[in-house]
Amino acid sequence: DVKVTQSSRYLVKRTGEKVFLECVQDMDHENMFWYRQDPGLGLRLIYFSYDVKMKEKGDIPEGYSVSREKKERFSLILESASTNQTSMYLCASRQKTGTTYEQYFGPGTRLTVT
Amino acid sequence: AQSVTQLDSHVSVSEGTPVLLRCNYSSSYSPSLFWYVQHPNKGLQLLLKYTSAATLVKGINGFEAEFKKSETSFHLTKPSAHMSDAAEYFCVVSDPRGYNKLIFGAGTRLAVHP
Repeated sequence: DVKVTQSSRYLVKRTGEKVFLECVQDMDHENMFWYRQDPGLGLRLIYFSYDVKMKEKGDIPEGYSVSREKKERFSLILESASTNQTSMYLCASRQKTGTTYEQYFGPGTRLTVT
Repeated sequence: AQSVTQLDSHVSVSEGTPVLLRCNYSSSYSPSLFWYVQHPNKGLQLLLKYTSAATLVKGINGFEAEFKKSETSFHLTKPSAHMSDAAEYFCVVSDPRGYNKLIFGAGTRLAVHP
């Protein structure tokens, strides 16, 4: 079974702090993603990495950066946390199955910024 | 542009009765469509996917969805609801431009009553 793990289930940080969210996958997938999930908005893509040291901005990259130094690990960084970044953050990795891709999600990190 | 609209934010059914979760999509291409489920405090799990093969797609836990091009719909159904089906469900379309990113609907929360 594919496993995607995230370093914390719950996190509370103060405004202005630098925050690191870590994600690890164990299936040698090349592609990894970070989303945020907010009620009524579904999931929105923050950043995508298609290979080690490669990244692409998603739909809402402002206020975030990412790091992918190793294939299995994809980190999301909030340089200076703000209250509007309070949200659920989900990491995913994916593999190609036939003509489509299948994404596997981690359990999420609920971040509260006070 | 690709998009999905989930027509109901909340659906409530009694145990043993049918489930219908509605989804309309918009796509300039032949779409790949998915339904994901998220149980409380869990990550997202793929229920089923449509990739231009059979229009009636069977998924896990007795769920199925029918792709109707003329109606641009991909509704999720189950003949008989179980208490364990209570969760949030997301209709998702894949955007084939660039890196096949997933575009999520806003979600439908399904409540199942005894």
